[in-house]
Amino acid sequence: DQQVKQNSPSLSVQEGRISILNCDYTNSMFDYFLWYKKYPAEGPTFLISISSIKDKNEDGRFTVFLNKSAKHLSLHIVPSQPGDSAVYFCAAPERGAGNMLTFGGGTRLMVKP
Amino acid sequence: DGGITQSPKYLFRKEGQNVTLSCEQNLNHDAMYWYRQDPGQGLRLIYYSQIVNDFQKGDIAEGYSVSREKKESFPLTVTSAQKNPTAFYLCASSIDGTGDSPLHFGNGTRLTVT
Repeated sequence: DQQVKQNSPSLSVQEGRISILNCDYTNSMFDYFLWYKKYPAEGPTFLISISSIKDKNEDGRFTVFLNKSAKHLSLHIVPSQPGDSAVYFCAAPERGAGNMLTFGGGTRLMVKP
Repeated sequence: DGGITQSPKYLFRKEGQNVTLSCEQNLNHDAMYWYRQDPGQGLRLIYYSQIVNDFQKGDIAEGYSVSREKKESFPLTVTSAQKNPTAFYLCASSIDGTGDSPLHFGNGTRLTVT
């Protein structure tokens, strides 16, 4: 049973516009969330995180929003650039399972010039 | 430069053979992990180790084995018991095993078994 879900397998946006990637979770015990970015044939790289005590965290063009009541988080990229084209994974550590990260299935973002 | 090195990048094996994937890190991280990625799917945890000489099964450990004799090294053996071994394998490390410390990933090994 997937505890972290990314329901959109792909997203296409125009360069300069906003990209919004969504993530839903079912485990109400999750208290920390991370986003990773992955290029083909490479390992994922950490992008941004958010603690459940916050509802927003911003780092340059990247902002993550957390809605605990809806068990939903989203990653906003503004403005989107062609180099942002990659697969984005959201993840959360399971505190009752050795803090191991549970990953969503990923969303492939394509930013068109 | 500190990082995680996985070798080889591509590996081909015949069905029924065991194969060992290498993972080395020089980040002085305590925790190391092995994940598997299949097309269109997220990363699934195979094994993890939070300290030398100790490791734990992840969600899909069947058909795999690991060792952690040195802090820097966490090799993964894909045995003939693994039903669907063809996949992209990712090794990762983190400073500690708290879950809040970001994982640093290697560039992966693509294993093809025919």
